[in-house]
Amino acid sequence: DIVMTQSPDSLAVSLGERATINCKSSQSVFYSSNNRYYLAWYQQRPGQPPKLLIYWAFTRESGVPDRFSGSGSGTHFTLTISSLQAEDVAVYYCQQYYSPPYTFGQGTKVEIK
Amino acid sequence: EVQLLESGGTLIQPGESLRLSCAASGLDFSSNAMSWVRQAPGKGLEWVSAISGSGGTRYYANSVEGRFTISRDNSKNMLYLQMSSLRAEDTAVYYCARSSPLVRVFGEVPNTGGMDVWGQGTPVTVSS
Repeated sequence: DIVMTQSPDSLAVSLGERATINCKSSQSVFYSSNNRYYLAWYQQRPGQPPKLLIYWAFTRESGVPDRFSGSGSGTHFTLTISSLQAEDVAVYYCQQYYSPPYTFGQGTKVEIK
Repeated sequence: EVQLLESGGTLIQPGESLRLSCAASGLDFSSNAMSWVRQAPGKGLEWVSAISGSGGTRYYANSVEGRFTISRDNSKNMLYLQMSSLRAEDTAVYYCARSSPLVRVFGEVPNTGGMDVWGQGTPVTVSS
């Protein structure tokens, strides 16, 4: 199974500042035939179902603010919130959908400092 | 608008069986892979199972393999999760979600990746 490890487990960021969340996969999630990383990021606000933010590691889902961006290569990926807003308080998860079981990271809780 | 609505969650005793349902609307259901994801109280997300649009490909998490069965009825736009031999550790909110294709086709890039539409979830509590 592919193990997804996120860091940190939690972080507190001031409004308007940058938040960075890391995700490492234990194996490659890159499919060379279509040049895609099978890596997604989700946001889960309290009491809500998860919401897809980023897929193919870099592609922002329709309607997601452009302050959210995905980056990375190899087995290391990053979700960046360029200017934290109050509504961004949530838990963020990475997930690989390259090989079943389609594992999630343990989550990173983002709070306001 | 694409909508998913789960139902069937309840309080149930260990060792018993339960079937969850997910009603889909606003999408070409048979063309979409679907997944179940669960979240135990205060814990993170755990992918449980996925099924291809035709129903011909199914995958399971190690923790439920042999106890849970995913299925779908494309004529009714319904997704199911049959759960048996339930344990206390199966206690969770169960979400259904539309998923990207389960089978990779050489050179093809699917229109979307990950799970882009989620239901609100249905709670399952396994306790005596």
